[in-house]
Amino acid sequence: KQEVTQIPAALSVPEGENLVLNCSFTDSAIYNLQWFRQDPGKGLTSLLLIQSSQREQTSGRLNASLDKSSGRSTLYIAASQPGDSATYLCAVRHSQGGSEKLVFGKGTKLTVNP
Amino acid sequence: NAGVTQTPKFQVLKTGQSMTLQCAQDMNHNSMYWYRQDPGMGLRLIYYSASEGTTDKGEVPNGYNVSRLNKREFSLRLESAAPSQTSVYFCASSESQGPSRPQHFGDGTRLSIL
Repeated sequence: KQEVTQIPAALSVPEGENLVLNCSFTDSAIYNLQWFRQDPGKGLTSLLLIQSSQREQTSGRLNASLDKSSGRSTLYIAASQPGDSATYLCAVRHSQGGSEKLVFGKGTKLTVNP
Repeated sequence: NAGVTQTPKFQVLKTGQSMTLQCAQDMNHNSMYWYRQDPGMGLRLIYYSASEGTTDKGEVPNGYNVSRLNKREFSLRLESAAPSQTSVYFCASSESQGPSRPQHFGDGTRLSIL
C-alpha cells in the first residue's frame, strides 16, 4: 500500500529565509508527484507537478525535485514571504486496483513570520 | 473563471438525516473525485468517476453514494448521516485519469453531524 509522509508537520521561519519541505513515499512505482498549497478554510491549489521521468520542476520561487528510486521529493521555497504561510501537501499518483489514484501526505504547516 | 464549484459551503446535520453535496466543474474535464479531509488523516478518496457514466469506490466509500449526473456534475450523498462523517469534503476534477493531468479542487464543504 502506498503511503506518503511529510516532515516536518509544522515549520516556522523568519521572512526571507530559504526553506525545504520534505515528502517521502513507500512505493516508487508512481506516475507523478504533485505539490499543493492549502490556505485555511480553502481548497487545494496545485503548485507543481513532476512526472516520474522528470527530476525537477520550477515555478517562480518554488523548485520541486523528485528522486523516484529513493522515494523522496523536496519543495524548495526561496526568499520566503509571509504570504507563503499555508499548509503544503504532496501527493503521488500511482496505480491501484487497475486504476490510478492520488495518495496524499498529511501536510506541512508553514508559518513565515514578518 | 469558476473552475470547481461546491455547494453548500457549510452544513450542520443531525444524526440520521440525509444530504447531497453538489459539485460542478466548467473545465470540460472527464474525471471527477470526492475526498474527505480529517485532522491528522490527510485527504482520503471516497469515490471517483473516471468518465461520464462510470463511478468507482475509493479508499473510504462506506456510508456514501455518488451520482455522475452529466459531464459537469458529480454529487455525493449521505443517506443516513453519522457523527463519524463530520469532515471537510472536497470535490476535484482532472482532464482525464492520465498521469500528466493535475487535479483541480473546489473550496470544500464543511459538514458537521450532531
